[in-house]
Amino acid sequence: GAVVSQHPSWVICKSGTSVKIECRSLDFQATTMFWYRQFPKQSLMLMATSNEGSKATYEQGVEKDKFLINHASLTLSTLTVTSAHPEDSSFYICSASPGHENTEAFFGQGTRLTVV
Amino acid sequence: DAKTTQPPSMDCAEGRAANLPCNHSTISGNEYVYWYRQIHSQGPQYIIHGLKNNETNEMASLIITEDRKSSTLILPHATLRDTAVYYCIVRVVDSSYKLIFGSGTRLLVRP
Repeated sequence: GAVVSQHPSWVICKSGTSVKIECRSLDFQATTMFWYRQFPKQSLMLMATSNEGSKATYEQGVEKDKFLINHASLTLSTLTVTSAHPEDSSFYICSASPGHENTEAFFGQGTRLTVV
Repeated sequence: DAKTTQPPSMDCAEGRAANLPCNHSTISGNEYVYWYRQIHSQGPQYIIHGLKNNETNEMASLIITEDRKSSTLILPHATLRDTAVYYCIVRVVDSSYKLIFGSGTRLLVRP
C-alpha cells in the first residue's frame, strides 16, 4: 500500500522554541493532507486540512498562528508548532489522501512531541 | 458530519471471529464507511471501506445493513496482534474528504 512518512518520530524541545514536523507521501501525490493531535488515552483530533498551494483550513479551536502548516508540494506538508509549551506535548499524526471519497487516506507513523 | 457510535471495549478469544459493531444512523446516501485501527503509539492503519455492498479483503469483512444505518467489521480469525483500537468513520463528502475520528472500540484479543 501507499506510504506516508513522518519525521521526526519523536522530539524533545524546550519551552518557547519552535518545532517542525514533516509529512511526506512517498509514492503518490497528495493534493490534501491532514494533521491530527492525540493526547494519551484519547482519540485523534483533526487539527487542520492542508491543501497544496493554498492556505490550510483549521478546525474550530485550533490556533492557526501557533500551528503553522505549509503544503508546498504535492508530496510534502509541514506542521510547525511555534513557541511550544508543555501543554503542546502530544502525539501528532499526519495523513495524506489523493482526494477521492472512495480512496483510503494513509497515515504516518506519528511524531511524539515533548516540551520541557 | 455523520456521527458513529461504537462500544468502548470488546474482547474475544484468539482464533475466534471478532465482530465489531458500529451505528451510523445519520449517514447520507453518498457517504462511505471506513474502518481503521490503531495499535498503541502508531498511526492508524486502514482496514476496509464500503458504501452499501458488503466488502471483503485480506484483513477483514465489512457488512453494511440494507438501510446503511449500521455496519459490522469482522476479523475472521483474531490473533493477539489484532489487539488495537478500532475506529468506524463516516467519511465527509466535500472537497476535503476528511476523516473525523470518534472514540472507537478497544478490542482485546485473549490468548
